[in-house]
Amino acid sequence: SYELTQPPSVSVSPGQTASITCSGDKLGNKYAYWYQQKPGQSPVLVIYQDTNRPSGIPERFSGSNSGNTATLTISGTQAMDEADYYCQAWDSSTVVFGGGTKLTVL
Amino acid sequence: EVQLLESGGGLAQPGESLRLSCAASGFTFSSYAMSWVRQAPGKGLEWVSVISGSGGNTYYADSVKGRFTISRDNSKNTLYLQMNSLRAEDTAVYYCAKDLSNSSAGGSDYWGQGTLVTVSS
Repeated sequence: SYELTQPPSVSVSPGQTASITCSGDKLGNKYAYWYQQKPGQSPVLVIYQDTNRPSGIPERFSGSNSGNTATLTISGTQAMDEADYYCQAWDSSTVVFGGGTKLTVL
Repeated sequence: EVQLLESGGGLAQPGESLRLSCAASGFTFSSYAMSWVRQAPGKGLEWVSVISGSGGNTYYADSVKGRFTISRDNSKNTLYLQMNSLRAEDTAVYYCAKDLSNSSAGGSDYWGQGTLVTVSS
């Protein structure tokens, strides 16, 4: 079965750039999606189809996807961005989530 | 405004059944695929199932295939998840989510608040 691998945790200082990776076999040939989830809340879509931001998502969130790796980049990270982030892709009639990355802003 | 309201969660014993519902409003329900995603306590997101806008196509995670059935009633704007032969490992918050398109291969742009299913004797 298809797997997506994310680092368990990423730390970043306020105002700096955070990059969260998601790795999977030939992931660049599929669309990647990214979700943000804060404690006690439902997930929020922050990037769809590799690079697109839904309305209401700040411009500091961006995405890329090539080869075997999709990357979520948060520029000028703010304290409010501290959350769990999950990547997602579709493969062989199933949806796959990465294990999630806890972003700490310190 | 898109709203998704799940119901039907609760406590069940192993082997029992539960039926979850998700009442949708604020969009043309039949035009979008819908998904169920679950999250065990303290764990990550796990995709459960997806159904196309017409209901003609359904897909399941291996962990629930043969035990869970996804369905929808487009006349009632409601999504369902029939869960049979429940196991302790099915314990989770179950989210209903609206997909980005009518097909079942896209991401989900709106999520409900979730309903907790606990399977325990």
